[in-house]
Amino acid sequence: GDSVTQMEGPVTLSEEAFLTINCTYTATGYPSLFWYVQYPGEGLQLLLKATKADDKGSNKGFEATYRKETTSFHLEKGSVQVSDSAVYFCALTSGSSNTGKLIFGQGTTLQVKP
Amino acid sequence: KAGVTQTPRYLIKTRGQQVTLSCSPISGHRSVSWYQQTPGQGLQFLFEYFSETQRNKGNFPGRFSGRQFSNSRSEMNVSTLELGDSALYLCASSLENRANSPLHFGNGTRLTVT
Repeated sequence: GDSVTQMEGPVTLSEEAFLTINCTYTATGYPSLFWYVQYPGEGLQLLLKATKADDKGSNKGFEATYRKETTSFHLEKGSVQVSDSAVYFCALTSGSSNTGKLIFGQGTTLQVKP
Repeated sequence: KAGVTQTPRYLIKTRGQQVTLSCSPISGHRSVSWYQQTPGQGLQFLFEYFSETQRNKGNFPGRFSGRQFSNSRSEMNVSTLELGDSALYLCASSLENRANSPLHFGNGTRLTVT
């Protein structure tokens, strides 16, 4: 079945460092890909999305490119801030009938130190 | 615009009891889905409702059930609670019935079973 694999955390960085969180997927068909972020005590918030190959999603300085050839959707940010500390989830959904059925990776905890 | 509202925020129940969780979607959203989040299993899809009909169901036992009302509000019920049902239960709503329509999550209901 469909699945998402993320790099294990926690990832600890200093402020202004470059961030990469790896995400690869296995899916039949042509999935849409998402990154969600979860801050402590809160639900998930959509960070960015890409719906077809070579699309680049971007938001708040974060970027991810849908790479069909490598089945990847790595999250990057050029300069992280302390406020970026959170858990990041890569997810996919496929098929028009599966709107609400997201398949999530295990999540990667990011800690940014001043 | 108000976000997705889940009530109650916290619940403590004992084994064998049953529980009902409530979710009010963003105004105008007709799709509601539910997820269980645990440290061991991560985020797992429970079920999705659209226009009062269950469209998808995850791999959970029949003790887990849900429904959606004509105003799109949704409830999920867990009967005969087990210790392993302790989790954060997240509800999400979306506007459109398409695979790339982003989900908007509530802050969740933290259920503890003792």
